[in-house]
Amino acid sequence: DAGVTQSPTHLIKTRGQQVTLRCSPKSGHDTVSWYQQALGQGPQFIFQYYEEEERQRGNFPDRFSGHQFPNYSSELNVNALLLGDSALYLCASSPTMGDRGGDSYEQYFGPGTRLTVT
Amino acid sequence: GIQVEQSPPDLILQEGANSTLRCNFSDSVNNLQWFHQNPWGQLINLFYIPSGTKQNGRLSATTVATERYSLLYISSSQTTDSGVYFCAVERYDYKLSFGAGTTVTVRA
Repeated sequence: DAGVTQSPTHLIKTRGQQVTLRCSPKSGHDTVSWYQQALGQGPQFIFQYYEEEERQRGNFPDRFSGHQFPNYSSELNVNALLLGDSALYLCASSPTMGDRGGDSYEQYFGPGTRLTVT
Repeated sequence: GIQVEQSPPDLILQEGANSTLRCNFSDSVNNLQWFHQNPWGQLINLFYIPSGTKQNGRLSATTVATERYSLLYISSSQTTDSGVYFCAVERYDYKLSFGAGTTVTVRA
């Protein structure tokens, strides 16, 4: 049973460029969330996708956008890169959160993409 | 938003020692997870424990939801237990809020 996968593993970009990161959820999961982890800090929630729509968003500017495909995989796009965008970007997946009736589901994380902006 | 505080920030142990990590949170939650982050950045699921007690080998965890805290116990620590331990909670809003982590160093 494949876990959450992410690509690429590492990426170096120049300030002002655009980047696309990719995530495939764990088998049987249809909800994908993205997190940013700066050096020495805990991960920060960026947004979550369910049924190909952004359902919840954290405190990140519009330069951060995403997409979910019919096969539940997801992309994170960051435009106009800043030096401060250098971080580990983590993708997490979970089973459906559509109608939970107050229940929650365990989230599983991928290995991350380490982005360096120079 | 919900506040998550982890203590201690750093912990140095001799191999074979026991330890307790604490996570306090500021509001009621419907999800609490403990993770171990390895040196390559991978977050490894340790426990999904919104309430109650669970054990997995040398690790165990207890969450007292009514008092808004969770404890992670490491017994007979090994050098492979080194790394950063994160507590993360969800307050009915689909997103996990993480603490700052506890960095554990186990010395042989």
